[in-house]
Parts: sequence; structure tokens; C-alpha cells
Amino acid sequence: EIVMTQSPATLSVSPGERATLTCRASETLTTHLAWYQQKRGQAPRLLVYGASTRATGVPARFSGSGSGTEFTLTISSLQSEDSAVYYCQQYETWPPGNTFGQGTKVEIK
Amino acid sequence: QVTLRESGPALVKPTQTLTLTCSFSGFSLTSERTCVTWLRQPPGKALEWLALIDRDDDKYYNSSLKSRLTISKDTSKNQVVLTLANVDPVDTGTYYCARTHADFYYGSGRGAFDVWGQGTVVTVSS
Repeated sequence: EIVMTQSPATLSVSPGERATLTCRASETLTTHLAWYQQKRGQAPRLLVYGASTRATGVPARFSGSGSGTEFTLTISSLQSEDSAVYYCQQYETWPPGNTFGQGTKVEIK
Repeated sequence: QVTLRESGPALVKPTQTLTLTCSFSGFSLTSERTCVTWLRQPPGKALEWLALIDRDDDKYYNSSLKSRLTISKDTSKNQVVLTLANVDPVDTGTYYCARTHADFYYGSGRGAFDVWGQGTVVTVSS
């Protein structure tokens, strides 16, 4: 069973700086990897699918990259509203697990 | 506008069966490569995928919970129902339904989820 591991657990970044979040898979994937943003008390929001395609309405400062076992979500210039927990999710392996990572909390310094 | 809304009991006793309903609008489960899924999130923990149903009534389950889960749909009512049998306090959490469709549906129960309900909080306690 595939395991998704996110790092770091918490990331503290100043406004305007870059934030880089990592997601590692225990098995090789192609590009069936998604990223979500979850603000406190809210449902998750899809940011990226297919490892690098931004979902509708997602600001350009969010970008996804990677393949194989290592994937990255980059927030190019952190805004105060980006404070949230970010999850990666694979949707490739069989039987379907649609497995999530444990999340990275992004804090504003 | 695509919306989903979860409904069900806030409190369930251990060993009982939990039944949750997802009512949706703005899309049809008869559309190609369109599915509805259920997920949950224990307090302070990560998301966990539970089950998915597609337009052909094919059903896919989290293998670790498969024996306890049942997903079904009523296309005429735009509803998807999830039942979880023999609940335990570890089943406490927020339960979400969500949609997946063609752009990010890999097939056979595997997809990303673009629109979510607001979630319903379920507590399992005697």
C-alpha cells in the first residue's frame, strides 16, 4: 500500500517569500498527484491536479511539479491568505486508495 | 454552480450504522466520467478517502474499510448515500462528499476532487 509523506510538517514563511512543500510517494507515480489547501474550519480546495495543472481559479503563484516519487508545491510569493494546511493526494495506484499525505501547515511569519 | 451538501446524524452510538446523504446540484451523475466520493477527517488529522460511485453504478471502496462501507446513488434525486456499519469512536470526524470529473478522473475509482461539501461532523459515543 502506497504511503505519501509530506515535509516539512510546519513551514513558517514571511509574506512575499517563496514556500516550497514536498510530497514523497513510497511507489513510483506518473502524474496522478493532486494538491489541496485547507483553511481552518473549511473543506479542502483543489489547487493542482495532474501534478502540475492548476485548478480553475487558482492564483498563478501556486505551481506544482515533479514525477516519480517526489513532488513539489511552490507558492512563489506568500500572501497572508495562504496560511493553511496543504495536502498532497495520489490517485494512481490500484486498488484505488486515493491516498493523502499527512499535511504541511504553512504559517505566516 | 456546482454544490454538494452532506446531511446525517451528529451523534451515533458504538456498533450502530451511520447513514449519510450527499445532495448535489449543478451537475449530473449521468455525465461521462463524473463521480461522487466520500472522505473523512478525524479531528486534527489528515484526510482519508472512503468510497466512490460512478455514473455506471460502479463502486469503489477503501480496502481497509470495505467490509463496513456501502455507497449508493439515486440519480433522480441527485443524491449519494454512504453507510458505515458497526461504528466505533475512532470513526468520529468530519465527513465530506465531493465530486470528481473527466479532467482528473483516472478511472476505476481513482481521481482528484474539485468541489467539496462543507462537511458534516459525526461523533461516535455512547
